[in-house]
Amino acid sequence: SQKIEQNSEALNIQEGKTATLTCNYTNYSPAYLQWYRQDPGRGPVFLLLIRENEKEKRKERLKVTFDTTLKQSLFHITASQPADSATYLCALDYTGTYKYIFGTGTRLKVLA
Amino acid sequence: DVKVTQSSRYLVKRTGEKVFLECVQDMDHENMFWYRQDPGLGLRLIYFSYDVKMKEKGDIPEGYSVSREKKERFSLILESASTNQTSMYLCASSTPGQGRYNEQFFGPGTRLTVL
Repeated sequence: SQKIEQNSEALNIQEGKTATLTCNYTNYSPAYLQWYRQDPGRGPVFLLLIRENEKEKRKERLKVTFDTTLKQSLFHITASQPADSATYLCALDYTGTYKYIFGTGTRLKVLA
Repeated sequence: DVKVTQSSRYLVKRTGEKVFLECVQDMDHENMFWYRQDPGLGLRLIYFSYDVKMKEKGDIPEGYSVSREKKERFSLILESASTNQTSMYLCASSTPGQGRYNEQFFGPGTRLTVL
């Protein structure tokens, strides 16, 4: 069955540094991969989508890469700020459907 | 501004009660989803609907049913609530489209406690 792995341990980094979060998957080949941000007690908020034929996508301080050979996506936040502290979820589509399977998320804490 | 609303933020019910969780979206989206979120398990899909009166089981449908009589409203029903259904329930909607394919818009969540 499909499996998505995100680092379950919290990531603490210093303000101004680049945060890098990892999403690994096995047993299938998604066409789309999404990243979401979730704050405590709130629903996830969409950040970026990347397609299987795209290697990299950028939006302001955010960058996502998608390596279908390694079955891995990396999510980068450059010049990180304390306001970036949140849990970040990756999600991959079930091929040919509108459904996505979500990872468990990685909690990021940016220290001032 | 697009919006997904859920009927309650917090809900406490007794074992065996029938529980209704309501979700409404104002974006005219075709697809609607119900997830539950538990620590260490992440978001798990319970049911989804791709059109009015249409539904499909997700990964964990047991103990749940859904209803979609109108495009904007998707209800999750716990026929007989049990303590292992204590969780955060999240509703989402999406529409296939150019550029932001299947971006899901989430509601604020309902934290359900079953005693």
